Amino acid sequence: AQSVTQLGSHVSVSEGALVLLRCNYSSSVPPYLFWYVQYPNQGLQLLLKYTSAATLVKGINGFEAEFKKSETSFHLTKPSAHMSDAAEYFCAVSEMNRDDKIIFGKGTRLHILP
Amino acid sequence: DTEVTQTPKHLVMGMTNKKSLKCEQHMGHRAMYWYKQKAKKPPELMFVYSYEKLSINESVPSRFSPECPNSSLLNLHLHALQPEDSALYLCASSQLGGANVLTFGAGSRLTVL
Repeated sequence: AQSVTQLGSHVSVSEGALVLLRCNYSSSVPPYLFWYVQYPNQGLQLLLKYTSAATLVKGINGFEAEFKKSETSFHLTKPSAHMSDAAEYFCAVSEMNRDDKIIFGKGTRLHILP
Repeated sequence: DTEVTQTPKHLVMGMTNKKSLKCEQHMGHRAMYWYKQKAKKPPELMFVYSYEKLSINESVPSRFSPECPNSSLLNLHLHALQPEDSALYLCASSQLGGANVLTFGAGSRLTVL
């Protein structure tokens, strides 16, 4: 079964610093990969998705992620953190032949320090 | 309309009660989902309806009973729940095919006493 592993349940960065949230997937074939964000007391919102069309994927709010097959990774980055980026971030995966089964990683809480 | 609407936002029920959670979307999506999310945990997939048929049941206890009356509506019927079932229940919908992007509702927060 597909799965994703997010390294670090909590990440703290200073405002204006680089954000790096890590995600590794387990699959012998490239799956579909996603990053979602969840603000307190809300549902999840898509940041970006990987569909094999391009390895560098740009999303909303200045986030981007790079698919690296050799490292089975799909890390999320943002050049300059903003206070409003404080939230829970989930990496998610689905199989290409079973796109209705989407499994989430354990999540990473991003804290922004003033 | 680009929203998934869930009602009620909050629900408190006893272990002998019968209640339902409701979810509605008008985006023409053909798949609808129930996820359960405990505090500080990721969403856990419970059920998926694809084209109004149950396509995934992740071994959910029978005290949770899903229903999809039509392509826009999804219900979750609750009966004889346990306190450990207290959680945020998230509904989502998607247009199947390719990289399947989920659109989530804000959730129904359930407390079982």
